[in-house]
Amino acid sequence: DTGVSQDPRHKITKRGQNVTFRCDPISEHNRLYWYRQTLGQGPEFLTYFQNEAQLEKSRLLSDRFSAERPKGSFSTLEIQRTEQGDSAMYLCASSQTLTEPLYGYTFGSGTRLTVV
Amino acid sequence: AQTVTQSQPEMSVQEAETVTLSCTYDTSESNYYLFWYKQPPSRQMILVIRQEAYKQQNATENRFSVNFQKAAKSFSLKISDSQLGDTAMYFCAFIPIYNQGGKLIFGQGTELSVKP
Repeated sequence: DTGVSQDPRHKITKRGQNVTFRCDPISEHNRLYWYRQTLGQGPEFLTYFQNEAQLEKSRLLSDRFSAERPKGSFSTLEIQRTEQGDSAMYLCASSQTLTEPLYGYTFGSGTRLTVV
Repeated sequence: AQTVTQSQPEMSVQEAETVTLSCTYDTSESNYYLFWYKQPPSRQMILVIRQEAYKQQNATENRFSVNFQKAAKSFSLKISDSQLGDTAMYFCAFIPIYNQGGKLIFGQGTELSVKP
């Protein structure tokens, strides 16, 4: 297992376009998280899944954002009608429920989105 | 609201010296975990050290140790014998034990530069 993979690493898009990011977690991890990190700030929680169920969404996640995790494996995060304020690093992380508080998450390398 | 504050945006240290990064947090929870994560430039975030709030003994991991002061809600990270590879953003993070969402709350980060 090579850890948490995110694709693409970088994305430049024009304002108003839709973008989709993919995250492949560690295979035995049942929880998957999306965070957003802007320059000079710590990551902020967006949403998380336990298996295929989306259990919590932050109020940061406007109606333009949607996340899915079909079959409890990989996850996608889509942003519709992108705005310049969406420019950020989008981090994915995964964990196992029972060991999560002790070992935290395993993070991916992130997708850096630039909206021009 | 639960918050994590890192009051040092940037720090620098000479190679082989010791440096301490500060972190304070605010919570009404009595049982929680605290973490320090390291994010090297353009690389993924990795766990450095964790501390269970119910343990009085400070956690240590090789050159990394913490000073956990529960009453003061303080959780500082000490890096001994600093190495060039320690250059990174360091994030303090918090998670309540009974938080069903496993949602990490991060501080703003401290950018550490280790100079030769």
